[in-house]
Amino acid sequence: NAGVTQTPKFQVLKTGQSMTLQCAQDMNHEYMSWYRQDPGMGLRLIHYSVGAGITDQGEVPNGYNVSRSTTEDFPLRLLSAAPSQTSVYFCASSKSGRVGTDTQYFGPGTRLTVL
Amino acid sequence: GNSVTQMEGPVTLSEEAFLTINCTYTATGYPSLFWYVQYPGEGLQLLLKATKADDKGSNKGFEATYRKETTSFHLEKGSVQVSDSAVYFCALSRGSNYKLTFGKGTLLTVNP
Repeated sequence: NAGVTQTPKFQVLKTGQSMTLQCAQDMNHEYMSWYRQDPGMGLRLIHYSVGAGITDQGEVPNGYNVSRSTTEDFPLRLLSAAPSQTSVYFCASSKSGRVGTDTQYFGPGTRLTVL
Repeated sequence: GNSVTQMEGPVTLSEEAFLTINCTYTATGYPSLFWYVQYPGEGLQLLLKATKADDKGSNKGFEATYRKETTSFHLEKGSVQVSDSAVYFCALSRGSNYKLTFGKGTLLTVNP
């Protein structure tokens, strides 16, 4: 099992550019999510999905889009990058949406810088 | 809303010292509580968890007890090692809201 994989590891964008952060898991997990990690702020939930075709917003969704066409993949799209989106992005997955009981598995992260 | 407050870092200890990282929470009802660890350059890993009051989570020599009366879940280890150097996050999950609420993280550095 590769677990949760994320690509790229590092990315530099200019303001206004768009890009997609990739996330994949090979554990047949129904639940996947995206967090951003900013210094002194812990991790904040951007979007999540409880299964293929189902997505919902977390606490900081503005500027990001997601879709879930397969169980394995959950890409995060930045439509028009802004310096405020400079952050480290983590994808996570678990067997179900019972976040209180199911172990969350995190990817290694993508460090994004927007100039 | 739900929130987690953990002690400010950084924390610097010598090898074999005793570690405590304080964590308190605000939530309605009975949340599940977690400690995650992030080693340099890696993603987060679940260290331990507790799902009900008075439960004790333990793993790799770390322990934390779910104290409902003080709304706390302090992380302890009796003898830290250099390999324990990492950022530690306290987190909670409440009901079916599909998310973890994290504290800000505490950087621990253990010197030989």
